[in-house]
Amino acid sequence: GAVVSQHPSWVICKSGTSVKIECRSLDFQATTMFWYRQFPKQSLMLMATSNEGSKATYEQGVEKDKFLINHASLTLSTLTVTSAHPEDSSFYICSASKPSGRPYEQYFGPGTRLTVT
Amino acid sequence: KQEVTQIPAALSVPEGENLVLNCSFTDSAIYNLQWFRQDPGKGLTSLLLIQSSQREQTSGRLNASLDKSSGRSTLYIAASQPGDSATYLCAVRRETSGSRLTFGEGTQLTVNP
Repeated sequence: GAVVSQHPSWVICKSGTSVKIECRSLDFQATTMFWYRQFPKQSLMLMATSNEGSKATYEQGVEKDKFLINHASLTLSTLTVTSAHPEDSSFYICSASKPSGRPYEQYFGPGTRLTVT
Repeated sequence: KQEVTQIPAALSVPEGENLVLNCSFTDSAIYNLQWFRQDPGKGLTSLLLIQSSQREQTSGRLNASLDKSSGRSTLYIAASQPGDSATYLCAVRRETSGSRLTFGEGTQLTVNP
């Protein structure tokens, strides 16, 4: 199998605070992890791509100082939303790809609902 | 820049009906196309993946076709059930983008008992 977990599944934080979301590949080593954001009734928008041990590549328009991504190991990537504001409230989904198996396939986590009050 | 469009945005059908969801993409240089299902507040479940060299893939009551040259894919759902109610997303992977996916905005399907 290829299972990806996220923690927490939902989080509420106050404006101005920071929140960390974890993404783990449970039964495989992920060479690449992806972070997406999804607003209500909209599709997934790729925020950044991260490879283990190297800096993340951010999509145009995504503030890298606000959305800190750390891919410290082959099974864990974290997304930290710094100084969160209500407009950062969204559904954040991560995915991971294996070095083997069907080329380039991504396996998705269950998502994290962030609400900033 | 690759753009993916899904039509219709929403669809409501009675149980038992066969239905077709459409996906179109602007750049035909794709590596593969994937259909996903997303339940409210949940992550994505992969349904079918079609390589660019393939014409269709089938899994149970689902059949996905791909016409790469015209930039179109369809997802056919036979004998729909209320449990099929969800948002269906298609995503394409370009030949040169590695794992990167570009998603459509989805079709929200409701199957009424």
